[in-house]
Amino acid sequence: AQTVTQSQPEMSVQEAETVTLSCTYDTSENNYYLFWYKQPPSRQMILVIRQEAYKQQNATENRFSVNFQKAAKSFSLKISDSQLGDTAMYFCAFDNNNDMRFGAGTRLTVKP
Amino acid sequence: DAGVIQSPRHEVTEMGQEVTLRCKPISGHNSLFWYRQTMMRGLELLIYFNNNVPIDDSGMPEDRFSAKMPNASFSTLKIQPSEPRDSAVYFCASIKVDRAEAFFGQGTRLTVV
Repeated sequence: AQTVTQSQPEMSVQEAETVTLSCTYDTSENNYYLFWYKQPPSRQMILVIRQEAYKQQNATENRFSVNFQKAAKSFSLKISDSQLGDTAMYFCAFDNNNDMRFGAGTRLTVKP
Repeated sequence: DAGVIQSPRHEVTEMGQEVTLRCKPISGHNSLFWYRQTMMRGLELLIYFNNNVPIDDSGMPEDRFSAKMPNASFSTLKIQPSEPRDSAVYFCASIKVDRAEAFFGQGTRLTVV
């Protein structure tokens, strides 16, 4: 089975600064999807950004962007101009068009 | 659409009792996932269904856990008998064939005492 590794259990960043969350995955497949989900204290899982493996261009969504390195099997999330509302658990996910597996999560705290 | 609906939101039960968690996926979604979230292990995939058929249940921790999807609009996760170590938040998620986004329910917080 595919595995997803998030090596940073906790991170913090000052408001308005930039932070990067790391994610690596292990697969032998060539076609797949990668996601970052945010889980605020409300417990709701919210999609932040999605990347299709066949696309070389890194996905961006406003202040959120990814650095997708397919050969290295790396998929990091960069949050620019961090806001207090970005405080949450962030999960990286791998989807091979069958199952969807998540990393252990990174707890991000944005400090005022 | 109301989104993925899980019930109950909270469940407190005594050790040894049977627990049934319910999920209604979004209409038109063809895949359904059950996850368990704990502080120690994060989000674990327990089982998933494609077109109502269980595909991989290797994540189900023990025979005490079972899941069914009798039709496209309903799934259950049952724990019998429940144990304190089963205490966790259980999420159901569904996704369309285009894999654009997995939609999650609000989760069921299970406490076994």
